[in-house]
Amino acid sequence: GAGVSQSPSNKVTEKGKDVELRCDPISGHTALYWYRQSLGQGLEFLIYFQGNSAPDKSGLPSDRFSAERTGGSVSTLTIQRTQQEDSAVYLCASSLGRGRFGQPQHFGDGTRLSIL
Amino acid sequence: RKEVEQDPGPFNVPEGATVAFNCTYSNSASQSFFWYRQDCRKEPKLLMSVYSSGNEDGRFTAQLNRASQYISLLIRDSKLSDSATYLCVVNIGHTDKLIFGTGTRLQVFP
Repeated sequence: GAGVSQSPSNKVTEKGKDVELRCDPISGHTALYWYRQSLGQGLEFLIYFQGNSAPDKSGLPSDRFSAERTGGSVSTLTIQRTQQEDSAVYLCASSLGRGRFGQPQHFGDGTRLSIL
Repeated sequence: RKEVEQDPGPFNVPEGATVAFNCTYSNSASQSFFWYRQDCRKEPKLLMSVYSSGNEDGRFTAQLNRASQYISLLIRDSKLSDSATYLCVVNIGHTDKLIFGTGTRLQVFP
């Protein structure tokens, strides 16, 4: 597709359930990033991938959070045993990730997650 | 010290005004710098990259001062549609990881 695609756009679930969020990056982008943004707050870095490997997982808040990327393309972010504090907008971004460091990132529309 | 720091604002300015935002970063090895714009309940969108020599895009001018480790954004002739949060973004050393500042909110009034 032309841009970064995220699904679902909205997810409401009960506390304790597992959720899976999906990100389909721009074709040809090797770097993929996950962020979280709570209402009125800045972006919180979670994890980024270069190809299928994750050089930096330092932002994952707890071991309930995990992410994978296969085929150098689609990524899924999984949250197990969701808690109310997990409610936020989860944003995915991708960039070319080649050559000069720190290429600009292009964001998807995000998944708005609400934990009841 | 935060890796990227911005004045949260808000900056309330009338239409037509010139407004400037500054941002400081802590990692002297950073090589890539950007300004993003984020509208309420929307995703961030790239406004412009920031180059060492400074660069301009229409009413927007970005400057980089490596010695003092700060970046600036100047908006001339402000429009109502410029109202948004402006995010300063810096890469971390020799990596592709970008760190976003918490943003500066701009409100342009008629």
